[in-house]
This record gives sequence, C-alpha cells and structure tokens, in this order.
Amino acid sequence: TQLLEQSPQFLSIQEGENLTVYCNSSSVFSSLQWYRQEPGEGPVLLVTVVTGGEVKKLKRLTFQFGDARKDSSLHITAAQPGDTGLYLCAGDLTQGGSEKLVFGKGTKLTVNP
Amino acid sequence: DAGVIQSPRHEVTEMGQEVTLRCKPISGHNSLFWYRQTMMRGLELLIYFNNNVPIDDSGMPEDRFSAKMPNASFSTLKIQPSEPRDSAVYFCASRTTRNTEAFFGQGTRLTVV
Repeated sequence: TQLLEQSPQFLSIQEGENLTVYCNSSSVFSSLQWYRQEPGEGPVLLVTVVTGGEVKKLKRLTFQFGDARKDSSLHITAAQPGDTGLYLCAGDLTQGGSEKLVFGKGTKLTVNP
Repeated sequence: DAGVIQSPRHEVTEMGQEVTLRCKPISGHNSLFWYRQTMMRGLELLIYFNNNVPIDDSGMPEDRFSAKMPNASFSTLKIQPSEPRDSAVYFCASRTTRNTEAFFGQGTRLTVV
C-alpha cells in the first residue's frame, strides 16, 4: 500500500510550459517535503512545508501544503531543461512517538528545449 | 562533513550469496533510514533507527533482510541469501530530528544474478 500517491508518474513538456505535480494521501503528516533526484545520486531536499495551507516559493517553484496536511502540490512556472529530473514528495508520519519518512513513487519530469 | 557515506557503490553477486551494505551517517544525526528504490515500487522505506535503536522494520520484505546499528556512526543492511528480485538501488539517509532534511548517500546498486 502506497501511503503517498504521486501524479503524474511521467511528464514530458516543452520549455516555457507550466506544470503541476500532485501528492495525495489519506494520512495526516506533520510535514511534507519535496526532493529532487538526479540519475546516480540520492534525493536532495527542495523544501519542507509544515503548516496546513502553507505556501512556499523557490524561484519558479511553488509548493503548497493542503489545509488538512494530507496532500501537497508542486507547481513549476516556465519550465526549463535544467528542471528535468525525478521529483519526490515525502511525508513525516508519526508512529509511536517517532517520525518515519515515507516517499511517493516520484514524478519523472522531462523538459524539452 | 563528508555527508552520508555508503559502500560499496556497486555490488554484483550470485543468487544465494550473502550481501552486506554499509552506511556511515552524518555525525550528530539521530535518525537513520534504509530505503530500496526500484522503477516499479519507487523509494520504499525498509527500516529506520532512532538513537541506534530500530523503531520500525515493517518495510523489511522478508526474514532474509536484517539491519543493525551497533553505534551512532555505522549501520549495515544484510541480505542472506540474496535473490535476483533483490536487485535494486539501496539508499541510506540520516537526519537530526523530525521534519528536518534527510541527507542521502549515493546509494548502492545491487545486482543479483
């Protein structure tokens, strides 16, 4: 059972287009993180959102945490070839007083010049 | 700090052999995670430790898998006996506390033939 459902799984767009990636769950998370992974490397953190309804911007990337802290979205404006990569959402799930970090399957983004 | 260090980077072994993957977390980090990444299943959490104590191993696929953290600076993931379906990239990650960034190693690409 996948705790975090990410969509779409694959996305191929032209340079300059906008896109949104979604991360949904029936579970409540204490925080939601977005990572980016390059081939042959481990994921690297882009942003952490903690408060329900929180919106964070990182240049052309906008991240939103749902009001109920069950879902999140990543919006990229005017995508560039350098944005190509695997985008992963991850949630902190409270269990027995500890937090375990679970990931969605990822969205493989290709931005064509 | 050198970051999370995993070894080996690549491992090719024959079915039935024992495989040991190693991880050195970032000094001062209290949580350590082992993940397995495949195209089909994405990044799966296998087990995580808090202060060297295993908290949740529900993601460990079978009894063939075991993990230890004898001290704060070292962890191992062992597969015995290995099977072709264990072929994947195995990542180790560490972080200070909940809702903070998880730092990943470069992964171990395991191929069981």
